[in-house]
Amino acid sequence: KNEVEQSPQNLTAQEGEFITINCSYSVGISALHWLQQHPGGGIVSLFMLSSGKKKHGRLIATINIQEKHSSLHITASHPRDSAVYICAVLFKSGSARQLTFGSGTQLTVLP
Amino acid sequence: EPEVTQTPSHQVTQMGQEVILRCVPISNHLYFYWYRQILGQKVEFLVSFYNNEISEKSEIFDDQFSVERPDGSNFTLKIRSTKLEDSAMYFCASSEQGGGTQYFGPGTRLLVL
Repeated sequence: KNEVEQSPQNLTAQEGEFITINCSYSVGISALHWLQQHPGGGIVSLFMLSSGKKKHGRLIATINIQEKHSSLHITASHPRDSAVYICAVLFKSGSARQLTFGSGTQLTVLP
Repeated sequence: EPEVTQTPSHQVTQMGQEVILRCVPISNHLYFYWYRQILGQKVEFLVSFYNNEISEKSEIFDDQFSVERPDGSNFTLKIRSTKLEDSAMYFCASSEQGGGTQYFGPGTRLLVL
């Protein structure tokens, strides 16, 4: 079965801390997305990657295809980073366009 | 920066009524998607649309649902006879390429009473 698991489910950090959110999946994928969902519900695409590493500002996403695992890192976290972070994948065995979503990680950064 | 827009932002309807949720994808994008998120649950894929036809749909997308691109800019999701369990946030997304980055709209929060 094509599954996406995220950990932790909830994460509370102090401002300035380095944060890591993990995503693992069950079978081979074409691509993996990291998304940010704001408290009001809106979803923003952060990264799409299929190998290696991508960086945008304080955000870094890595993926290890062999281990079927991806991480999202936030350096020098800030209260405005508080949101739900969602991993979503395109499985090779499934539809080319049907994203399967993880349950999300609720991140709270305290000042 | 171009963005996906959705209307209305909130809709309340009575069970059994028809609703149409509207989306305006990014103008040069060719692939369109609808997702839903029931409160407290994961985002779920409903349907993808390309070249004026459905390319993929999930088990959720039954005969009560339909999608349409009535003109060059709008992309709509119609629920023919709403049920209580259709209450959710509905997101539209678009992408330039089939497996490319998807850009999400702000969502429509649907409440069925």
